[in-house]
This record gives sequence, C-alpha cells and structure tokens, in this order.
Amino acid sequence: AQSVAQPEDQVNVAEGNPLTVKCTYSVSGNPYLFWYVQYPNRGLQFLLKYITGDNLVKGSYGFEAEFNKSQTSFHLKKPSALVSDSALYFCAVRDTNSGNTPLVFGKGTRLSVIA
Amino acid sequence: DAGITQSPRHKVTETGTPVTLRCHQTENHRYMYWYRQDPGHGLRLIHYSYGVKDTDKGEVSDGYSVSRSKTEDFLLTLESATSSQTSVYFCAITEGSGELFFGEGSRLTVL
Repeated sequence: AQSVAQPEDQVNVAEGNPLTVKCTYSVSGNPYLFWYVQYPNRGLQFLLKYITGDNLVKGSYGFEAEFNKSQTSFHLKKPSALVSDSALYFCAVRDTNSGNTPLVFGKGTRLSVIA
Repeated sequence: DAGITQSPRHKVTETGTPVTLRCHQTENHRYMYWYRQDPGHGLRLIHYSYGVKDTDKGEVSDGYSVSRSKTEDFLLTLESATSSQTSVYFCAITEGSGELFFGEGSRLTVL
C-alpha cells in the first residue's frame, strides 16, 4: 500500500527566509511524487512532480523539491519565502507498481509567511 | 486552467435527504475522481472512474455512490445525507499517470 506523511501541521517562516515543507512516502515500487498548493476557498493547484530523472525538480512560483530515495522523502523548498506563499500544501504519491491507481494525499501543511 | 466545473458550489441540506454533486469536464480526460477534504484528514478518495461506466471505490466510499454515463460527467450521490458527510468535495481529472487537475470544490453542509 502507498502512503504519504507530512509531519508538520504548520510551518511558520519570515518573509525572505528559505522555507521547507516536509514529506515522506512509502511505496512498494518506485514513486511518482507531487506537490499541490491550496489557497483559501479554492481547489488544489499543481506545483511540481517527480517521475524520474533529476532528483531536484523545479516547479511553479519558484518552488522546488528534492527527491531522496534513501530517506524516502520529497521535501518542498523555496529559497526566499513571500507572504503570498501562505497557503495549504499537500504532498501526494502514486506507486508505479500499482498500475494507474489514484493519488494518495498527505494531510497537508499550512505555511504561514510572516512579513 | 483545466476545464472542470463542479455544481453546486454550495449546498445546505437536511439529514436523510438525497444529494447529488456534479463534475463536468471539457478536457475529454479518461480518469475522474471524487475526494473529500476535512480538517485533520487532508484529501481522502471517495470514488473514481477510469472510463464511461467504469468506477471503483476509494478509501471512504461508504454512503456514497457514483455514476459516469458519459466521458464529461461524473456524479457523486449521497443517498441519505448524514452530518458526517458535511465536507468540501473536490472533483479531479487526469488523462494518465500524471498530475491531477482539480475543480473549485463543492461545500456541503448537512444539518
């Protein structure tokens, strides 16, 4: 079975500082990994994904994520946080060994960027 | 933005009444999903479809049914709504194994 964990319910960071939102996963095969962002009263928006290839994936709005197979992690990062980055962030995984099964989402991490 | 429309966007109903939520897509994508979002639980899969008339259960399917009679529409039905089904419901689509595209959500309150 596939699963994903976001160990922090809330992350607070000062504007201009680097941010990290953590995600770990569990799959039996190889993972497809995704990050989504949700602004208030909106649907989820795709940020970036890891399918194969380079472990550092670059996405929308200056975000990037690093795939670490040995640590089964896919942490979301941004070098310099903006107040407008404040939102709810979801990590998701699909096990490539399970065919085209649906994505499994973490419980979300609320990011608050303080001016 | 992906062409996904959910309706209604907001609904208040009473316990025991039937409710149907509609997801309509203009992308001709094969896969459609219904998730619910609740505080502390993130997104949980209710049902999904991998083609017309082809559906399967997700993690929290009890009390819900779905139908997909044509590619563009995926209906979620609560046969007899309960207060535990108060939630925000999201439809999502994808063509293959890539990223999902989400609708704007349907907020359901069951009194």
